[in-house]
Amino acid sequence: AQSVTQLGSHVSVSEGALVLLRCNYSSSVPPYLFWYVQYPNQGLQLLLKYTSAATLVKGINGFEAEFKKSETSFHLTKPSAHMSDAAEYFCAVKAGNTPLVFGKGTRLSVIA
Amino acid sequence: GAVVSQHPSWVICKSGTSVKIECRSLDFQATTMFWYRQFPKQSLMLMATSNEGSKATYEQGVEKDKFLINHASLTLSTLTVTSAHPEDSSFYICSGGQGAQPTEAFFGQGTRLTVV
Repeated sequence: AQSVTQLGSHVSVSEGALVLLRCNYSSSVPPYLFWYVQYPNQGLQLLLKYTSAATLVKGINGFEAEFKKSETSFHLTKPSAHMSDAAEYFCAVKAGNTPLVFGKGTRLSVIA
Repeated sequence: GAVVSQHPSWVICKSGTSVKIECRSLDFQATTMFWYRQFPKQSLMLMATSNEGSKATYEQGVEKDKFLINHASLTLSTLTVTSAHPEDSSFYICSGGQGAQPTEAFFGQGTRLTVV
């Protein structure tokens, strides 16, 4: 069965600083990987996804993630944090015919 | 991208009553719908998966008689919380995808249920 581990339940960065949210996955078959963002009392919005094409994936709002098979990682980055980036971020994996599995989430705080 | 509309966005009900939450796919046919539950500061937990015209498949530990799921059309799925109790208070989120095993699903806005 597949699983996702998000390192750090809370990450705090200064406005303008690099954002790095870590995600490691486990899967016995080639996975699809996703990053979602959730604002308070809202559903999930897809930031980006990896579906076995390019390993460097660019998403919305300036985010990108790199799939590294050797490290089983799919870390999310953004060069310069903005106040509006403050939210909860979820990494998720889908492998084969099994349902999407979510990590526990990382809350990003942006300090002015 | 594809849009999933979920209603209501929030609801308060009395203990013992039932509440229905609707999830509609607006611009695609959602062959498969997923229902999740999210407790405060926690991740999404899959409750059940439904395919249009079939009975829903519930995850272990989810009471199918309490959480009734109907997926009668390719654009509408409903979750009914029957005989609600305060411990059922939570954030419920649906998502829909195309095909029997969608590689991507699109999420509704979520419903905040409070049982008093």
